[in-house]
Amino acid sequence: AQKVTQAQTEISVVEKEDVTLDCVYETRDTTYYLFWYKQPPSGELVFLIRRNSFDEQNEISGRYSWNFQKSTSSFNFTITASQVVDSAVYFCALSGETSGSRLTFGEGTQLTVNP
Amino acid sequence: KAGVTQTPRYLIKTRGQQVTLSCSPISGHRSVSWYQQTPGQGLQFLFEYFSETQRNKGNFPGRFSGRQFSNSRSEMNVSTLELGDSALYLCASSLDRTSGSYEQYFGPGTRLTVT
Repeated sequence: AQKVTQAQTEISVVEKEDVTLDCVYETRDTTYYLFWYKQPPSGELVFLIRRNSFDEQNEISGRYSWNFQKSTSSFNFTITASQVVDSAVYFCALSGETSGSRLTFGEGTQLTVNP
Repeated sequence: KAGVTQTPRYLIKTRGQQVTLSCSPISGHRSVSWYQQTPGQGLQFLFEYFSETQRNKGNFPGRFSGRQFSNSRSEMNVSTLELGDSALYLCASSLDRTSGSYEQYFGPGTRLTVT
């Protein structure tokens, strides 16, 4: 069975602080895919990034960066110089060769960025 | 390109009734998945359709069903509604359904309230 754990239920920071959201996953699949989604108060899940299990290269996109480490089964997400608009619930998700398109989501981390 | 659309956005039903939710995927996407989001259970996979066939199913009772049409539009139906069915129902579309490698794009959801 696949499992995703986001241990941080809520995080509150002040604008311009850096913040890291943790994600730990479990899977027996050799080939799997990790995702991060953002859910603002409107409810729609917004796709942020997809990472394949065979590509451990970290990625940076503007203020966002992702650190994928297979050795610790982690896929952490860092927001640099946070802004109020970053306030949302962030979900880490996993799919694999045995689950097809089925996404297994973590519990989510509520990020609040205060001005 | 238009995103995933879901109708209706809000719905109030009474216990015992049935409900049908609709989802139109992004043009060219042939895979449609449905998820239920509740505060207690988080995001849970309901089922996935590809080329009018159900390819994957989550652990939900038979009261939850779906279908996909030749134009890839999908509907899900819940019969004999229970209070616990109150949730945000999210639809997602993607290009590929077999490998799970392609990111899923979510619609705004349908907020169902059962009274």
